[in-house]
Amino acid sequence: EVQLVESGGGLVQPGGSLRLSCVASGFTFSNYWMHWVRQVPGEGLVWVSRIKSDGSRTNYADFVKGRFTISRDNAKNTLYLQMNSLRGDDTAFYYCATLRGTGDLDYWGQGILVTVSS
Amino acid sequence: QPVLTQPPSASGTPGQRVTVSCSGSSSNIGTNDVYWYRQLPGTAPKLLIYRNNERPSGVPDRLSGSKSGTSASLAISGLRSEDEADYFCLVWDDSLSGYVFGTGTKVTAL
Repeated sequence: EVQLVESGGGLVQPGGSLRLSCVASGFTFSNYWMHWVRQVPGEGLVWVSRIKSDGSRTNYADFVKGRFTISRDNAKNTLYLQMNSLRGDDTAFYYCATLRGTGDLDYWGQGILVTVSS
Repeated sequence: QPVLTQPPSASGTPGQRVTVSCSGSSSNIGTNDVYWYRQLPGTAPKLLIYRNNERPSGVPDRLSGSKSGTSASLAISGLRSEDEADYFCLVWDDSLSGYVFGTGTKVTAL
């Protein structure tokens, strides 16, 4: 059974940092691009970033460029999102996912809430 | 100005056919494949359509996708109460070098 389990969310002050993790199981993690998608409660889905299977390529949405860094550790089957200079509008549920657009699997984690507030 | 525009809502009576549109541009829908997701409240999105019109196993054939030019559509035939959900399109945008979700459509069975 494929599972993606996010952790590391919580409350952080504006300007602060947080690192999200996503542990994958049930598939060959090292073969797949991985993505982060976020969603403000009650609003739409927003793609944040992706990383190639071997970590050699990354892409980011404009609104996180220079602030967020996606990375992975294939030995630990783990995806990361380092979030710096956090702002109030970064408050959202963050999902890790394999997307059908970059492979033959489409699975999502349960999501983790990040709240940026003083 | 959103990159991919969807109507905020769509509705129909049970058994009717409902369509959800996704309007983009030459740098996204005009060039790349469209994916459709359904999201129920409090849950992660579920893939319904990939590569414009392909259905993953387990998705009923009363759901179908199409694409023409810079627009795409998801059609739900034989609308059921369990189809009530939010629907999102997803496409890669060559100009942005990133994926973009549509604005989302809430489907209601009247």
